[in-house]
Amino acid sequence: QKEVEQDPGPLSVPEGAIVSLNCTYSNSAFQYFMWYRQYSRKGPELLMYTYSSGNKEDGRFTAQVDKSSKYISLFIRDSQPSDSATYLCAMSPTNFGNEKLTFGTGTRLTIIP
Amino acid sequence: GAVVSQHPSWVICKSGTSVKIECRSLDFQATTMFWYRQFPKQSLMLMATSNEGSKATYEQGVEKDKFLINHASLTLSTLTVTSAHPEDSSFYICSARKRTSGSMRSYEQYFGPGTRLTVT
Repeated sequence: QKEVEQDPGPLSVPEGAIVSLNCTYSNSAFQYFMWYRQYSRKGPELLMYTYSSGNKEDGRFTAQVDKSSKYISLFIRDSQPSDSATYLCAMSPTNFGNEKLTFGTGTRLTIIP
Repeated sequence: GAVVSQHPSWVICKSGTSVKIECRSLDFQATTMFWYRQFPKQSLMLMATSNEGSKATYEQGVEKDKFLINHASLTLSTLTVTSAHPEDSSFYICSARKRTSGSMRSYEQYFGPGTRLTVT
């Protein structure tokens, strides 16, 4: 079993819809959670960074962490064609400078105009 | 945010030659940088952790003599693919951790734009 599971998709939704992306994990030591967006042939871009359980909102993006269920989500409101990309979740037990991140496989998202 | 650059963005080389890829943190210092490899439609595979002023830490299965990493300064790490072969063709991405502001010490990890290596 992988430490982090993420549905690879592809996921296609119409423009304006709410998108829900999810990851589950098995390592209860994970405390720091990130979402990255990666466009084709580009490096990942940090979207959201959260610590422990709870919600964090930034514009159209909301990250949720439920440590009791070992489940994290990223919601995208009012989705736009420019949101079409691969979304990667990542997590780590600590946030020290040399800590490695464990990534999900990524979900490919397409927003249909 | 923070900016991490990579050079070159795309390189084609002949089998048997060596290729050097540079990773720079442009607006912050990074004692630790990471090198990843990514195959099409797959996730990132960590190759090694690059530490300024010391030897890199390689992940299991990564040949340290083939993928030479040097982290000579707080803003520059290099990955050299030695005696490249077609199976080394891939997308190589570096990242660097930037310490965030605030009272709690924490780091955010930023990625470079990637380098596409094609070995013919």
